Amino acid sequence: DTGVSQDPRHKITKRGQNVTFRCDPISEHNRLYWYRQTLGQGPEFLTYFQNEAQLEKSRLLSDRFSAERPKGSFSTLEIQRTEQGDSAMYLCASSWIGDEQFFGPGTRLTVL
Amino acid sequence: QKEVEQNSGPLSVPEGAIASLNCTYSDRGSQSFFWYRQYSGKSPELIMFIYSNGDKEDGRFTAQLNKASQYVSLLIRDSQPSDSATYLCAVERGGKLIFGQGTELSVKP
Repeated sequence: DTGVSQDPRHKITKRGQNVTFRCDPISEHNRLYWYRQTLGQGPEFLTYFQNEAQLEKSRLLSDRFSAERPKGSFSTLEIQRTEQGDSAMYLCASSWIGDEQFFGPGTRLTVL
Repeated sequence: QKEVEQNSGPLSVPEGAIASLNCTYSDRGSQSFFWYRQYSGKSPELIMFIYSNGDKEDGRFTAQLNKASQYVSLLIRDSQPSDSATYLCAVERGGKLIFGQGTELSVKP
């Protein structure tokens, strides 16, 4: 399978816990993006990387969120001290520079 | 004003009809436009992209772009029940995508 993969697909956690999600992009893509989507809304940009460099982080993203792409391949998104408002689908996408973005299956987070 | 606006629908069309989905955007400098299809509980799937004014056709899908009016649309000919989904319009800005809220399409047999 050469598509974008994400792990886990579902995560249920209690408020206050930390969670970490992983994304593996399409192998030849050098850009990797994270988006968040809540019910009835379109995806909302969180951050993106070109190779290992984080080029932009949304101003809406609280300091509880951090993302890494240490070797320019897979990426992790960590949410510290989760809140109920963090419940959403977290989507990862990848692309070559200037090309179309392809999405992974997403990680659905539920914070109780 | 939202950067990308779509009618949320639902838009209901009979099987075999043409479905027309519309999107407006606010940034006149936008150059790249995308349509994604999203089935319930699934992630967005790219179906069309368009960069130049005019029409772009791919099978039953036609994307139309009018930069002067800041308007992009998606036509689906011979609509099928399997086309029932939410259609997301996205505009590229600084490398990232800005999405509309999506239009729910329902194709009735």
